[in-house]
Amino acid sequence: KQEVTQIPAALSVPEGENLVLNCSFTDSAIYNLQWFRQDPGKGLTSLLLIQSSQREQTSGRLNASLDKSSGRSTLYIAASQPGDSATYLCAVEDGNNRKLIWGLGTSLAVNP
Amino acid sequence: DAMVIQNPRYQVTQFGKPVTLSCSQTLNHNVMYWYQQKSSQAPKLLFHYYDKDFNNEADTPDNFQSRRPNTSFCFLDIRSPGLGDAAMYLCATSSPWGEQYFGPGTRLTVT
Repeated sequence: KQEVTQIPAALSVPEGENLVLNCSFTDSAIYNLQWFRQDPGKGLTSLLLIQSSQREQTSGRLNASLDKSSGRSTLYIAASQPGDSATYLCAVEDGNNRKLIWGLGTSLAVNP
Repeated sequence: DAMVIQNPRYQVTQFGKPVTLSCSQTLNHNVMYWYQQKSSQAPKLLFHYYDKDFNNEADTPDNFQSRRPNTSFCFLDIRSPGLGDAAMYLCATSSPWGEQYFGPGTRLTVT
């Protein structure tokens, strides 16, 4: 059974710092991996999608990597800003169906 | 350009009083999902559709039902809401390449 773990559960950094959020999964038979952002009381915003055949994706200050063989993904945020404060969730799409298996998220606070 | 729209954004209902949440999408995606999310938890899948093919998760309570009359619209019906059903309900679609797009959610309060 696929399990997704995100470390750390919470992170507080000063503005301007580069940071890395980690996601690990137990079964490498994934269709893709997706990183989402969720602001308090709001829906989820898709940040980056990495297909199983890809190694990384970039969007602006965000870079996500995928190492399927080791069951790991990282989300790198460059030059963090207070507006980046949110919960970041990682989810893998099961290779056999179209369902996402979710981590519990990392709650990020970027302090001015 | 709203792509996945949910109405209402906030819904208050009484214990046991049926409620319907709605979702619409402008993406023309065949796959749609309903999730329930409680505070500090990951989203929990309730149902999903491949076009009109309905798939119910094994642990979704019988109290929850869904309808999808066409590609654009999907409804979540809660027949007799209990206090434990208070949560954020999220609707999502999936592109052919697997990227999921979420609506803003409906926050359900049960009094």
